[in-house]
Amino acid sequence: QQPVQSPQAVILREGEDAVINCSSSKALYSVHWYRQKHGEAPVFLMILLKGGEQKGHDKISASFNEKKQQSSLYLTASQLSYSGTYFCGTGEAQGAQKLVFGQGTRLTINP
Amino acid sequence: DTAVSQTPKYLVTQMGNDKSIKCEQNLGHDTMYWYKQDSKKFLKIMFSYNNKELIINETVPNRFSPKSPDKAHLNLHINSLELGDSAVYFCASSQTGSGGYTFGSGTRLTVV
Repeated sequence: QQPVQSPQAVILREGEDAVINCSSSKALYSVHWYRQKHGEAPVFLMILLKGGEQKGHDKISASFNEKKQQSSLYLTASQLSYSGTYFCGTGEAQGAQKLVFGQGTRLTINP
Repeated sequence: DTAVSQTPKYLVTQMGNDKSIKCEQNLGHDTMYWYKQDSKKFLKIMFSYNNKELIINETVPNRFSPKSPDKAHLNLHINSLELGDSAVYFCASSQTGSGGYTFGSGTRLTVV
């Protein structure tokens, strides 16, 4: 079953913060986050594993609440280049050879 | 060097035709995938191959037939194309147990 992302869309000014949530009804082993710009391929941002630590690089970080089967992506001091559609992808088992993606969250950063 | 390359990038064809999309990865990954992205941007898995073996077939019509001659290549052949097959098809690869997926640039298929 497809994970649910919220919000569906968000518009920010450059420098503002954003949080994108991903929620699943199934027990998860992993959560991936990807960003897709218009007309391009999704690009891997980070992976969070069950029992792992919160991840992050630069001003983008994420957390994984295993008990609630929820993950959140945090974008701090957003830049114009952060604009795009963000997808979470969930894996139910270690080594699971498929990700089920959420419906996407469209992020628009204005100057 | 392109990590995951797909050809062609665009494909416009008539209903009923047969077409193929090719994918190659030079990352040394052991698993390759086909995903379909519809007009609402929903990314849905179609097939997954691990070391040339079919692992996942997500109730895709049997008009779609993937083939993996080796672990670096995964092709998709579609028979008797229908209007509803119009979408962007992404190939991706990953290494079991580590890291995320690397996607190809996609093939935009339009059936008229």
